[in-house]
Amino acid sequence: SQQGEEDPQALSIQEGENATMNCSYKTSINNLQWYRQNSGRGLVHLILIRSNEREKHSGRLRVTLDTSKKSSSLLITASRAADTASYFCATEKRGGFQKLVFGTGTRLLVSP
Amino acid sequence: KAGVTQTPRYLIKTRGQQVTLSCSPISGHRSVSWYQQTPGQGLQFLFEYFSETQRNKGNFPGRFSGRQFSNSRSEMNVSTLELGDSALYLCASSISSGSTTDTQYFGPGTRLTVL
Repeated sequence: SQQGEEDPQALSIQEGENATMNCSYKTSINNLQWYRQNSGRGLVHLILIRSNEREKHSGRLRVTLDTSKKSSSLLITASRAADTASYFCATEKRGGFQKLVFGTGTRLLVSP
Repeated sequence: KAGVTQTPRYLIKTRGQQVTLSCSPISGHRSVSWYQQTPGQGLQFLFEYFSETQRNKGNFPGRFSGRQFSNSRSEMNVSTLELGDSALYLCASSISSGSTTDTQYFGPGTRLTVL
């Protein structure tokens, strides 16, 4: 079974707007990663945040991590139509040895 | 550097057959992980190999097996295929330097359809 739950399950916005996705998980983690997937293709790594970090930025992406609440959020600013994809959070448990546990994903649709 | 490659990209098999999928990691990466993605169960971890040894295993039946070669290339095998094995099979590689924060890089996947 999946560890992470993401919400919303689907998000529809206009180009230029910001998109926020949330992820919750259940156990202690080493790190949390966000991935993007276009139309059932492979996963593209977006950003990794370690358990001792609270916030991280990469271009138009901002990720926060709250280990006390076991939750993370991904913010995409100034969205573009090309951002249309499914977004997954994935956690690596302590002692997980590269085993990622994925969330259920958020389907983002950005309309021109 | 070339990315993770997976072959074949698409595969159609019938129930009871077996199948072998191949994954070539990014050059220099020693860890290869396999994941199954289905609409019902989402993305699930199958197993991970490092230096030709299975280091971690998910909750899948013994019909699912894998191996890794000395050049880090990996194969996974599914025997006695069932309809429920229809899925996108994703391979990921990482440097696995000993750190627990290695980024995993995914291939495009193999779409397996079992009829």
